[in-house]
Amino acid sequence: EVQVVESGGGLVQPGGSLRLSCAASGFSFNSYWMTWVRQAPGKGLEWVANINQDGSELNYADSVRGRFTISRDNAKNSVFLHLNILRAEDTAVYFCGRNLGFEQLDYWGQGTLVTVSS
Amino acid sequence: EIVLTQSPATLSLSPGERATVSCRASQSVNIPLAWYQQKLGQAPRLLIYDTFKRATGIPTRFSGSGSGTDFTLTISSLEPEDFAVYYCQQLTNFGGGTKVEIK
Repeated sequence: EVQVVESGGGLVQPGGSLRLSCAASGFSFNSYWMTWVRQAPGKGLEWVANINQDGSELNYADSVRGRFTISRDNAKNSVFLHLNILRAEDTAVYFCGRNLGFEQLDYWGQGTLVTVSS
Repeated sequence: EIVLTQSPATLSLSPGERATVSCRASQSVNIPLAWYQQKLGQAPRLLIYDTFKRATGIPTRFSGSGSGTDFTLTISSLEPEDFAVYYCQQLTNFGGGTKVEIK
């Protein structure tokens, strides 16, 4: 059974940092791109970043480029999102998903909530 | 950047009725479109990928169609569990969502 589980969210002050983790199981992890998507409270979905199979290609939304870093550890079947210089508008549930191709995500985790507030 | 505009924002229907959700892209690109269903407090669930293919375990009452700039998600006969928010997606762009609510 394919499973994707995010962790690492929490309350952080503006300007702070956080590392989100996404643990995958039930499939050949190193064969798939992985993607992070976020959803601010009461709002729609926003694509954040993706990473290719071996971690050599990284892409970011304009809103997070230069502040967030995506990475992966294929030995641990995990993908990470490092969030730096956090702003109030980064407050959201962050979802990790398996990328079918063309950013179509067929398996999603339950999400992890990041709250940026003083 | 492609902008995806969904309509209507809210659709009020009764169980058993047909639901049609539209997604219009600001430009035509030869890239497949996906549709997701999201219920309150849950992660999105992939319904349709590559514009018209049903994802694993998705009932046949869900169908996707379209090309160019105009795409449609159709639910042929609404079941109680289908009342939710639906999003279209093309690459890194999501539509604003359509809420299908009980009339």
